[in-house]
Parts: sequence; structure tokens; C-alpha cells
Amino acid sequence: DTAVSQTPKYLVTQMGNDKSIKCEQNLGHDTMYWYKQDSKKFLKIMFSYNNKELIINETVPNRFSPKSPDKAHLNLHINSLELGDSAVYFCASSLWGSGIPNTGELFFGEGSRLTVL
Amino acid sequence: AQKVTQAQTEISVVEKEDVTLDCVYETRDTTYYLFWYKQPPSGELVFLIRRNSFDEQNEISGRYSWNFQKSTSSFNFTITASQVVDSAVYFCALMPNTGNQFYFGTGTSLTVIP
Repeated sequence: DTAVSQTPKYLVTQMGNDKSIKCEQNLGHDTMYWYKQDSKKFLKIMFSYNNKELIINETVPNRFSPKSPDKAHLNLHINSLELGDSAVYFCASSLWGSGIPNTGELFFGEGSRLTVL
Repeated sequence: AQKVTQAQTEISVVEKEDVTLDCVYETRDTTYYLFWYKQPPSGELVFLIRRNSFDEQNEISGRYSWNFQKSTSSFNFTITASQVVDSAVYFCALMPNTGNQFYFGTGTSLTVIP
């Protein structure tokens, strides 16, 4: 069973389009994240949700909108895609904020490679 | 400020050589956690190890070992007798106890040449 799964794995689209990436975790974790990895492999946090509530919202264009319908899902919607949005987007989850003693290890999905043409 | 520095951008070694990947961190928190993740060419991020700030014992897992030194704020990773399968980008990360945010280093790309 996949612990953190993202769909789609690959996404190729034109500038100006709107697209979504979905993420689901079956680990029972309370906190989920979106990270962006650029072409230089730099990992940058975008958002974090704890039990459906937004707790981290880094400086990200407001074209990016996360949605968490429940604590097992965190989707990322991107409006008006730009060339610079091309990257690999990683979803992750952790036990942080669950009330269970833990060390916050992140469990990552396989990544979704977005290419904007 | 919270920061992780991996000064080595790229390293190449010949198979069976030992290699050490450096990681230096900055934090004002007294409690924090340090991590190493591996990203092979297939792209997924694989957790390797977690260390808390109160445990300075070095750890060995097979060919992998980690040296945590609070005095120098370093958490270095050594691969002994490297293999081609070790070729990957390795990330060091810091998680202060005051928040749930990870601070990743910029990664070290390791190439093991057969």
C-alpha cells in the first residue's frame, strides 16, 4: 500500500491553464505539506495543513491554492500557469501536531513533475 | 535563524571508495531534529536517519554512518565502500522543536563511478 500518493505523476500543460495535483495519505497523520523542488533540486516548503487547517503559508503566488477536504487529503490547485511553475511538487505528511510523541519525520509522495510550455 | 548548509554541490567517487557528505546547521533552538534524505535518480525522497539534539551518539547502519557534533553544529554522513546504487542527491534537514517546518539544505549530488 502506498503511504503518500500523488496524482498525476506527470503533467504537461500550456501557459495560462489551470491544473490540480491531488495528494492522499493513509498513514493516519495529522499534518500534510506541499513542497516545490526546482530544477536545481532545491526543496522549498509551500504550505502545511494540520487537521484541515492551514498552518504554514510561505511566500507563494496566490495563483497557488491548497485545499484540504479532510486530514488525509491535501490538493494543490494552480491557476494561470507560468513557465516558472515548472518543477516537481512533493506532497508529504507527518505525525506533527497529532498529540502523539514523534520526531516529525516527513513521509514523501513520489512527486508530480509539472512542465509548463 | 534556521539554516542548513551543504557546501558540497557535487561529489564523484570511484566505486568502493569511502565518501563523506557534510552538513552544517544553524538554529537557536535547544531542541531540534536532524535528518538525512536520499533522492535517487528515480526521484522519490527516501528517509535515511533522524537524530535529536540530545543524542550525540554516532550511528552506523550497514555501510552508512552519521557523525553528529553539536560543538561544530555538524551532522555528517559517511558512506563506506560506495556502490553505484548510492548515486543520488542527498539532503540534510533541520526541524526545530518550535515548529513543524523542515529546513532543507541544497543537497549534495553524489555520483559513484563503476
